[in-house]
Amino acid sequence: AQTVTQSQPEMSVQEAETVTLSCTYDTSESNYYLFWYKQPPSRQMILVIRQEAYKQQNATENRFSVNFQKAAKSFSLKISDSQLGDTAMYFCAFMNFNKFYFGSGTKLNVKP
Amino acid sequence: KAGVTQTPRYLIKTRGQQVTLSCSPISGHRSVSWYQQTPGQGLQFLFEYFSETQRNKGNFPGRFSGRQFSNSRSEMNVSTLELGDSALYLCASSLRSSGNTGELFFGEGSRLTVL
Repeated sequence: AQTVTQSQPEMSVQEAETVTLSCTYDTSESNYYLFWYKQPPSRQMILVIRQEAYKQQNATENRFSVNFQKAAKSFSLKISDSQLGDTAMYFCAFMNFNKFYFGSGTKLNVKP
Repeated sequence: KAGVTQTPRYLIKTRGQQVTLSCSPISGHRSVSWYQQTPGQGLQFLFEYFSETQRNKGNFPGRFSGRQFSNSRSEMNVSTLELGDSALYLCASSLRSSGNTGELFFGEGSRLTVL
């Protein structure tokens, strides 16, 4: 069975600084997708970034980048130049055969 | 393009009652999946429907059921409500085609409180 673990229930970062959110997963599959989703307070969950397991290059979306370590089954999210609007719950997710598995989430507080 | 719409947004029920939640996916999306979100547990997968057929099911008791209509709208039903069913129920739609890269589009959720 696939499991996704986010070991940091809550984190804080000062505006303009960099923060890294951790995620590990467990699977015996070789082909899968990994995602980070963001859920702002009282708002819809949206996709932040996506990584295909067969791609060695780490995905990047503007200030968001990932460190994908397939052998270690690790998929961390780095947010650079943190902004107040980055305050949200962040969920790491694994997808295989159209089935998603989510972590328990990390609550990120960006402080002014 | 309209997003995923869930109704009702908030509801309060008492133990033993039943509840029906509705989800209208993004136009053209044929896959609808449901998740239960509770603090500390993250998102727990309930089930997924594609073209009116349940394709995947999570580990929830039979009190949780769902269906999908020909227009891809979906409903989920929870019978004999328990206090532990209090949660945010999220619906997500996706294309789910062979070239699907997996992005889910979420609604704002239906927050259920069971008293």
